[in-house]
Amino acid sequence: GAVVSQHPSWVICKSGTSVKIECRSLDFQATTMFWYRQFPKQSLMLMATSNEGSKATYEQGVEKDKFLINHASLTLSTLTVTSAHPEDSSFYICSARFPGQGPETQYFGPGTRLLVL
Amino acid sequence: AQSVTQLDSQVPVFEEAPVELRCNYSSSVSVYLFWYVQYPNQGLQLLLKYLSGSTLVKGINGFEAEFNKSQTSFHLRKPSVHISDTAEYFCAVSGYSSASKIIFGSGTRLSIRP
Repeated sequence: GAVVSQHPSWVICKSGTSVKIECRSLDFQATTMFWYRQFPKQSLMLMATSNEGSKATYEQGVEKDKFLINHASLTLSTLTVTSAHPEDSSFYICSARFPGQGPETQYFGPGTRLLVL
Repeated sequence: AQSVTQLDSQVPVFEEAPVELRCNYSSSVSVYLFWYVQYPNQGLQLLLKYLSGSTLVKGINGFEAEFNKSQTSFHLRKPSVHISDTAEYFCAVSGYSSASKIIFGSGTRLSIRP
């Protein structure tokens, strides 16, 4: 199946710093990517939908100025957690879809674990 | 809009016993249904999905699920579990369109006892 990668797989940072997480679709071009957040022992919550070449669409309650999403190419979307605080510590998972396709062709990355000290 | 409910937060079973993880969904339109597995400290792996056609869907690792439209359910089953099946299992639902989002249930932790 299609492969989605994330980098880094884990990151530890100090409070107040910014962290960038990359999501790449390795063998297909993804016009749409999604970012999810998962707190310990909880489900995945959709944060935003990222469309190549346009602004991301954020879910209600997600601060767009804190979680900056850039989808500059058909194979790369980035999530930057700005001025990270301990409450931002979480598991961040990205997902990508085949162009023009629906959820049936959505593939998930391995996740990035963020720990903010 | 769609929603999904996983009725059991934890399911303990003995090795080689059968298991059923329950999932119910709510939607005003036709849906796709998914089951994902998440092993500790890892991302999601698709177990199986229902798109259309036969209501009995077979997936990887010996799992299967049955779509029941009248009961709005999509329960996951395995006739004989192994220690390696210990993981978190997520049921998910989406609409058909390219704009539809995948919505996840709260998850069921399957723990296998030797």
